[in-house]
Amino acid sequence: QKEVEQDPGPLSVPEGAIVSLNCTYSNSAFQYFMWYRQYSRKGPELLMYTYSSGNKEDGRFTAQVDKSSKYISLFIRDSQPSDSATYLCAMSARETSGSRLTFGEGTQLTVNP
Amino acid sequence: KAGVTQTPRYLIKTRGQQVTLSCSPISGHRSVSWYQQTPGQGLQFLFEYFSETQRNKGNFPGRFSGRQFSNSRSEMNVSTLELGDSALYLCASSWGASGSYEQYFGPGTRLTVT
Repeated sequence: QKEVEQDPGPLSVPEGAIVSLNCTYSNSAFQYFMWYRQYSRKGPELLMYTYSSGNKEDGRFTAQVDKSSKYISLFIRDSQPSDSATYLCAMSARETSGSRLTFGEGTQLTVNP
Repeated sequence: KAGVTQTPRYLIKTRGQQVTLSCSPISGHRSVSWYQQTPGQGLQFLFEYFSETQRNKGNFPGRFSGRQFSNSRSEMNVSTLELGDSALYLCASSWGASGSYEQYFGPGTRLTVT
């Protein structure tokens, strides 16, 4: 079983829709949670970084962490065609493990005009 | 502030050859991590360097190696290339060698082994 599970999609939505992306994890040592956006043939771009359970909002993006359920989500409001990309969740453990990130396999999102 | 830079951006090599990839982190960042991205396996951790020392290593064969210089720039080397080494190689930099620091990725080096 993978440490981090993410629905690969593909996910196709109309412009303006609310998008929900999710990851589950099995390793309780994960303490830090990130969402990256990756456009085709580019490197991943950090979107959101969270530590504690709860919500964090940044513009149209909201990251949600539920450590008790080992479940994280990314919500995109008023989705735009420019949001079309692959979204990767990533996690890291406590300081003794260094900066090592464990990634989900990514969800491919298409926002149609 | 300039982002993470990687050179070269594209490489084509033949089986059995070796290759060296370079990564320059964001100014002030001292940790550099390397990842391999393939369609089948996704993003997989190779190794991490901090203050010229390898701090963490993923589950890759010894053909994959790296180093970090005193200016935090890092190189990774792959010897005796195999077809399965074809991938996008990404480096990420962060201020410290801890999961509590945000990591920023470069554009990657796309390696094709023929």
